[in-house]
Amino acid sequence: QSALTQPPSASGSPGQSVTISCTGTSSDVGAYNFVSWYQQHPGKAPKLMIYQVSKRPSGVPDRFSGSKSDNTASLTVSGLQAEDEADYYCSSFAGNNIFVLFGGGTKLTVL
Amino acid sequence: QVHLQESGPGLVKPSETLSLTCIVSGGSITSHYWGWIRQPPGKGLEWIGYVYHSGTTNYNPSLKSRVSISVDTSKNQFSLNLTSVTAADTAVYYCARDPAIWARYWYFDLWGRGTLVTVSS
Repeated sequence: QSALTQPPSASGSPGQSVTISCTGTSSDVGAYNFVSWYQQHPGKAPKLMIYQVSKRPSGVPDRFSGSKSDNTASLTVSGLQAEDEADYYCSSFAGNNIFVLFGGGTKLTVL
Repeated sequence: QVHLQESGPGLVKPSETLSLTCIVSGGSITSHYWGWIRQPPGKGLEWIGYVYHSGTTNYNPSLKSRVSISVDTSKNQFSLNLTSVTAADTAVYYCARDPAIWARYWYFDLWGRGTLVTVSS
């Protein structure tokens, strides 16, 4: 099973919005509402930002939102701030043989 | 507040077994599923597997023939063994918690800081 597909990079200016896509298949992203997103700053552990497609953990700013359409999930960061610059990874449940898939990651640059 | 801490050798020789332990502090290891995830230097995340306090496990099919994850409830810790390692197994290894109670939500809300394991002679 291949990893989920993310663009390697994305960018935006402070205050702008940026959307990162995560494309899977009808066996993973399209089949289950178990899509999550993680933020990772250099040298740090990943941090959960979105779970079950669009839910935010306590403490995550509401500037971060998630959605899904067919086999593609998306993470939108609104009102970009300098501290949002990081790598972002999507993940999805992929059934009871593959279990968990991650995307290849997207480096978000705040210009 | 629950805290996870990975421990184990930072250097393993090719063909040998990589062994890591994750100590869970501030909470019980029972009632949750626990996982291992790794990240090769400069690359993305790869899920390795899950373990439950009962001993139930799920593994990444690509690693299944070489990996085993076990749990020691008396020490509130769980462990990863990866056999016949090669340079491709060089990575930062993270332990993490699935927040579901007695089930899996298939995401991780709590992570350890990670430990770099290098495979080299």
